[in-house]
Amino acid sequence: QKEVEQNSGPLSVPEGAIASLNCTYSDRGSQSFFWYRQYSGKSPELIMFIYSNGDKEDGRFTAQLNKASQYVSLLIRDSQPSDSATYLCAVNVPKDGSYQLTFGKGTKLSVIP
Amino acid sequence: DGGITQSPKYLFRKEGQNVTLSCEQNLNHDAMYWYRQDPGQGLRLIYYSQIVNDFQKGDIAEGYSVSREKKESFPLTVTSAQKNPTAFYLCASSLTRLGQGLREQYFGPGTRLTVT
Repeated sequence: QKEVEQNSGPLSVPEGAIASLNCTYSDRGSQSFFWYRQYSGKSPELIMFIYSNGDKEDGRFTAQLNKASQYVSLLIRDSQPSDSATYLCAVNVPKDGSYQLTFGKGTKLSVIP
Repeated sequence: DGGITQSPKYLFRKEGQNVTLSCEQNLNHDAMYWYRQDPGQGLRLIYYSQIVNDFQKGDIAEGYSVSREKKESFPLTVTSAQKNPTAFYLCASSLTRLGQGLREQYFGPGTRLTVT
C-alpha cells in the first residue's frame, strides 16, 4: 500500500469556486501533515501545515485533518487562475527511529477564468 | 535575505562524470535534506542530515554521496554509479532536532541535472 496517496487530477474548477484537494496516508504513527504548492518548473512552496484533528485556516486556504480516517484535505476558497499548480501532500512517517517526510505524487489543479 | 540557495540552476554533464550540487542555507536550520523529483513521480529522499558531521541514507541513496561539515552547507555528489542521474534535485531544510519530531521543510529553487 502506498504511504501517501493523492488523486493525480487534473482537477479543473472555475474561477471563484472552491477547490478541494484530498490526501490519504497509511501510517497511523504520522503526526505532521503538510501541503505544498509547486508551479511548473519550480520548487515546492509550503502553504499549510497541520498537526491536530480539525480545521486550520489561513487566508483562502483551509487544511482539514481526520486522523481516525487517515485523511487530510486542502480547501482553496475563491480560486484564482494563479492557484493553478500541482499541490503536494506530505506526511511525516516514522522510520528507523526518527521521522521522514513522505510525499504524494501531487494533484494538478487548473483554475479556469 | 534568509533562505536556501542551490547552484547551479541547470547542469549538464557527460555520462561517467561525477558532479557536485551545492546547497546553502542561512535560516539557522539544523536539518537538511536532498530529494530527487522525476516527471510524474513524488519527491524521493536521497540523504538527510540532522546535525553537523552526521547524515543518513534516504530511500534512494545508491550512487550519491553527501557531506555536512558546516551547519549551513549540505553538498550532494552524484557519482557515475548512479544509473539514471537526470532529474530535478531539491534541497530542503527544517528546524527539526533529534527526538523532536518533524517540523516543516522549506525548499531551495532546485538544480536540474541532465546527463547525456
